[in-house]
Amino acid sequence: DAKTTQPTSMDCAEGRAANLPCNHSTISGNEYVYWYRQIHSQGPQYIIHGLKNNETNEMASLIITEDRKSSTLILPHATLRDTAVYYCIVRVAWRGSTLGRLYFGRGTQLTVWP
Amino acid sequence: SAVISQKPSRDICQRGTSLTIQCQVDSQVTMMFWYRQQPGQSLTLIATANQGSEATYESGFVIDKFPISRPNLTFSTLTVSNMSPEDSSIYLCSGQQGSYNEQFFGPGTRLTVL
Repeated sequence: DAKTTQPTSMDCAEGRAANLPCNHSTISGNEYVYWYRQIHSQGPQYIIHGLKNNETNEMASLIITEDRKSSTLILPHATLRDTAVYYCIVRVAWRGSTLGRLYFGRGTQLTVWP
Repeated sequence: SAVISQKPSRDICQRGTSLTIQCQVDSQVTMMFWYRQQPGQSLTLIATANQGSEATYESGFVIDKFPISRPNLTFSTLTVSNMSPEDSSIYLCSGQQGSYNEQFFGPGTRLTVL
């Protein structure tokens, strides 16, 4: 079962930053936070993941609170092609019966407007 | 990054028949998974495809209905058996290296059962 809570939908103007929140208040010490997105009619695409430190890559930044109970995915300059469903997932990274598996919640539909 | 292909990309099948979906990865992966995405829904993990042994099924999924094979580190098949209209979904496979690395997804197989 998904262990995250996300808003159902958000919108953002093109060129502005999109900040997508995620609540994972029951996250365990052996779980990472992962973000994926699914553009319509395609397979999910990996964006970024983190354990407790903030992370940045060419696609996005991930801000994880100090208590690890929530996180925010930031797309710094949203484009129309970023319109997708964004999934926040907590995933067991070591020592667990569900090691490596992804359990998807309903995600956030992000719509970027021109 | 790994590239994953699936065959067929889509199919329309009659009730009571079976369909086998193939998943091919262009490089060796440690773990492979199969997901189902029903219309308008999120992804649901069906099973972990284990190389050389029986797949590990999630709650609500059984081997008789969804037999899975994984003969090597780059290939897996999922069979949807004795199909009914409720099996109409997109079926996706994925692969990853290690337990916490990013998971790559195939484009999906869109199945319609009449």
